[in-house]
Amino acid sequence: KQEVTQIPAALSVPEGENLVLNCSFTDSAIYNLQWFRQDPGKGLTSLLLIQSSQREQTSGRLNASLDKSSGRSTLYIAASQPGDSATYLCAVRGSGYSTLTFGKGTMLLVSP
Amino acid sequence: DVKVTQSSRYLVKRTGEKVFLECVQDMDHENMFWYRQDPGLGLRLIYFSYDVKMKEKGDIPEGYSVSREKKERFSLILESASTNQTSMYLCASSLGTGRTDTQYFGPGTRLTVL
Repeated sequence: KQEVTQIPAALSVPEGENLVLNCSFTDSAIYNLQWFRQDPGKGLTSLLLIQSSQREQTSGRLNASLDKSSGRSTLYIAASQPGDSATYLCAVRGSGYSTLTFGKGTMLLVSP
Repeated sequence: DVKVTQSSRYLVKRTGEKVFLECVQDMDHENMFWYRQDPGLGLRLIYFSYDVKMKEKGDIPEGYSVSREKKERFSLILESASTNQTSMYLCASSLGTGRTDTQYFGPGTRLTVL
């Protein structure tokens, strides 16, 4: 059964820092990997989706990489801002199905 | 923009009550999902549906049932609510099974069972 682990569980940085969030998964037979953002008490918003054949995806200050063979993904946030404060969740989709397996998330706090 | 709505943001029920959580999506998506989210446990899939009147069990279906009579609506039913079903419930939908298919989430319903 697929397991997804996110490290660290929580992270606090001053504004302006570049930071990296980590995600690892146990079964490399994935269809794609997604990063989501969740604000307190709210639903999830998709940030980036990387297909299994891709190595990275970029959106603005966000860059996500995927190393399928080693079962790892990173989310890089450049020049962090207080508005980036949220919980970031990694999710993988197995081949042929639409269901996602989620990590428990990294809670990010960016202080002014 | 895809919109997924859930009938209530906050709900308080008594043990033993029958509880209905409603989810509606407006983008003609094939797939719909119900998750619960608990501190320290993350998101866990309860049930999902690939089509009208079709349902599949997720990782934690015990104590829950679902109904999908129309494509845009997916209901989660707690037949006899218990305190251990106090949680945040999130509904999601997705278009199909393509490689870039992503799930769109509703705002969540925080359910408290007393």
